[in-house]
Amino acid sequence: DGGITQSPKYLFRKEGQNVTLSCEQNLNHDAMYWYRQDPGQGLRLIYYSQIVNDFQKGDIAEGYSVSREKKESFPLTVTSAQKNPTAFYLCASGSVWETSDEQYFGPGTRLTVT
Amino acid sequence: ILNVEQSPQSLHVQEGDSTNFTCSFPSSNFYALHWYRWETAKSPEALFVMTLNGDEKKKGRISATLNTKEGYSYLYIKGSQPEDSATYLCALGGGSNYKLTFGKGTLLTVNP
Repeated sequence: DGGITQSPKYLFRKEGQNVTLSCEQNLNHDAMYWYRQDPGQGLRLIYYSQIVNDFQKGDIAEGYSVSREKKESFPLTVTSAQKNPTAFYLCASGSVWETSDEQYFGPGTRLTVT
Repeated sequence: ILNVEQSPQSLHVQEGDSTNFTCSFPSSNFYALHWYRWETAKSPEALFVMTLNGDEKKKGRISATLNTKEGYSYLYIKGSQPEDSATYLCALGGGSNYKLTFGKGTLLTVNP
């Protein structure tokens, strides 16, 4: 089946550790995105990539890093520099052909840092 | 950062009621307006993408309208059912960089 997978569903880390969240898609989409959701907030864009080996900062990129070595994969690393890393993280993918194309979302990873 | 506002923040209705929510956005440099439904424990799913002023889209009991000149979109649900309970998100599509700017969502609870 085509879709987006994120793993793991729940992730627990100690403060000061870097952690990498996985996102894989088999929809043949060029663009991939990482969003963060906090209670009472909308989805906020962390990083996005429109093509392999290229990515841009979103609205809240500080403390995060990404790579896009393969079209199918867009892992997000939450570094120790991210001051409030506990959140729900959503990955999405989409076409770059039309601005009206919808984005397809994964199931999300809930990260808890203590 | 674009400002996308949704109201109300939350809404409780009885089964069978019809309801509507609002999404407001800057009317300048409009490209596209997206509506998503996000059910608990599931991924957000696209409902509609609208690009033209005056657009109306319908999917079953759910419909949406778009006014790009005044910067708003309405989402209507006719005869709400408990399975309509979800957070409804609107997002503004951002031109050549394909970014979406989301509102905070409207949480709809339909009581049986």
